[in-house]
Formats: sequence, structure tokens, C-alpha cells
Amino acid sequence: AQSVTQLGSHVSVSEGALVLLRCNYSSSVPPYLFWYVQYPNQGLQLLLKYTSAATLVKGINGFEAEFKKSETSFHLTKPSAHMSDAAEYFCAVSDQDTGRRALTFGSGTRLQVQP
Amino acid sequence: NAGVMQNPRHLVRRRGQEARLRCSPMKGHSHVYWYRQLPEEGLKFMVYLQKENIIDESGMPKERFSAEFPKEGPSILRIQQVVRGDSAAYFCASSPGDSRRGYTFGSGTRLTVV
Repeated sequence: AQSVTQLGSHVSVSEGALVLLRCNYSSSVPPYLFWYVQYPNQGLQLLLKYTSAATLVKGINGFEAEFKKSETSFHLTKPSAHMSDAAEYFCAVSDQDTGRRALTFGSGTRLQVQP
Repeated sequence: NAGVMQNPRHLVRRRGQEARLRCSPMKGHSHVYWYRQLPEEGLKFMVYLQKENIIDESGMPKERFSAEFPKEGPSILRIQQVVRGDSAAYFCASSPGDSRRGYTFGSGTRLTVV
């Protein structure tokens, strides 16, 4: 069974500071990994995805994530936080080879950006 | 090119009534997924459907909940005899069938049971 752990339900950074949101996964087969962002009262928007190509993945809004198999991690980073980055971020995993295509989500990390 | 359309955006039901949530997938997408998000929690998988077929309903409560995706028309998530604990945001997502491309989510239906 696959699972996702997001360390830190709340992260607060200053505007212009580095953003680091942590995600560790558990999967019995090579995974696909995703980061989604959710703004208040809205649906989820795909930020970026890892699908077994390059281990460093670049997404929208200046975010990127690195797949590290040895650490079973897929942490999300952004060099310089902007006020508009304040939102909730979800990491998700999907097994490549099973017929069950549904994503399993972490519990989310709420990012606050202080002026 | 409309995205995933969910309606209604907000739904208020009294305890014991039925709730019907609709989801129209993106054009060209034949796979639909329903998720539930309780306050201050992540998204929990409920059911995965293709046209006229339920592929995986391992996340659906055993009673009162059902889902369908008919040959014509939107996917429907139906909750019978709603209780206060059903109050949540229900999200639908669709995909073209290749999970590597990720899923496109709708804006959700926020169900409030009073």
C-alpha cells in the first residue's frame, strides 16, 4: 500500500525567504509523485509531477522538487517566497503499475508568508 | 476548453435528505475520481469510475453513498439520508487514463448538513 507523509502541517516563512515543504512517500513499486496547491475555497491545481524521467522537476510559479529514491522523499522548494504563495500544499503518490490509478494524498501543509 | 465542472458549488441539506453532486470531466477525459476533504484534513479517495463502470470504490462508505458515471451525462455522487458528519468539500477529478499526466480537479462542492 502506498502512503504519503508531509512533515509540518503549518510552515511560516518571510517574504523572499526559501520555501521548503517536506514530503516522504511509501510505495512498493516505483511511484509517480505530484505536488498540488489549493487556494482558499478552490480546487487543487497541479504544481509539478515526477514520472520517472528527470529527478529534479520544475513546476509552475517558480517551484521545483527533487525525487530522492534513497530517502523516499519528494520535497518542494522555492528560492524566494512571495505573498501570493500562501496556500495549502498537498503531496500525492500514485503507483505506476497497478490498475488502481487513484492518487493518495498527504494531509497537507499550510504555507504562511509574512511580509 | 472548460475544465472539470462541478455543481452545485454549495449545497445545504437537512439531516435525512439526499444530496446529489454532479461532475462533468474535462473534454477527452474518460476517468473520474471523487475525493472528500473534511475540515483541516487532506483529501481522502472515495471512488474511481470509467464510463458505466466502477473501477475502485474502496474509499466509499458502505452505506448511504453511491456513485455512477453513465454513458451520457455527468458523474453523480449520491448521499442518501445525510448526517452532520457528511459535511465536507467533495472534489471530482478527471484524467485521460494515463496517470502520469496527473489529474485535473474541479472546484468542489461544499456540502453543509444542518
